[in-house]
Amino acid sequence: GQQLNQSPQSMFIQEGEDVSMNCTSSSIFNTWLWYKQDPGEGPVLLIALYKAGELTSNGRLTAQFGITRKDSFLNISASIPSDVGIYFCAGISNFGNEKLTFGTGTRLTIIP
Amino acid sequence: EPEVTQTPSHQVTQMGQEVILRCVPISNHLYFYWYRQILGQKVEFLVSFYNNEISEKSEIFDDQFSVERPDGSNFTLKIRSTKLEDSAMYFCASSQGGTDTQYFGPGTRLTVL
Repeated sequence: GQQLNQSPQSMFIQEGEDVSMNCTSSSIFNTWLWYKQDPGEGPVLLIALYKAGELTSNGRLTAQFGITRKDSFLNISASIPSDVGIYFCAGISNFGNEKLTFGTGTRLTIIP
Repeated sequence: EPEVTQTPSHQVTQMGQEVILRCVPISNHLYFYWYRQILGQKVEFLVSFYNNEISEKSEIFDDQFSVERPDGSNFTLKIRSTKLEDSAMYFCASSQGGTDTQYFGPGTRLTVL
């Protein structure tokens, strides 16, 4: 089946640093989404990307939909303590196929 | 802001028992989903539901699983005879259109003993 590989698996950074994570696939996705999950809670949507090459920002977050439709990255600038959590990319492959395929996740930890 | 709600937040059951997990999707959404997440792993798709029928299901969604929209607001997942490996967080999600953004509920933690 389709797989989304995220890297890195985990990150340990200091408050104020910028963060970059990405997601790659061997197959094409037509929609890319980035979610954040806090412990014991459901994924919360951060950014949605609908067109190849699209670059979208949401506050300190910026995400891009790769030209090949097989990758996406998420950047977080000037990290703050509440950015701690697990970040998942997710993709929808075909129109009419609504299921989300989730990535393996990147766990972000901020060192005080 | 409208949100997806789920009950209960935590369900503990004995192996072999039936459980029903409940969800209230966002009111003007037409597509409904169930996903599960085994502890420490990624979120996995179970089933999608549109126009009162299943539109897609994964290999995880075997004969022990069923979904229902019993009225205009609830969407349920039933596991007929729970197994130990069914222990996981179960998330309900909904979207307006088939490829629109899916919004997730807070999840039900199912523990099978």
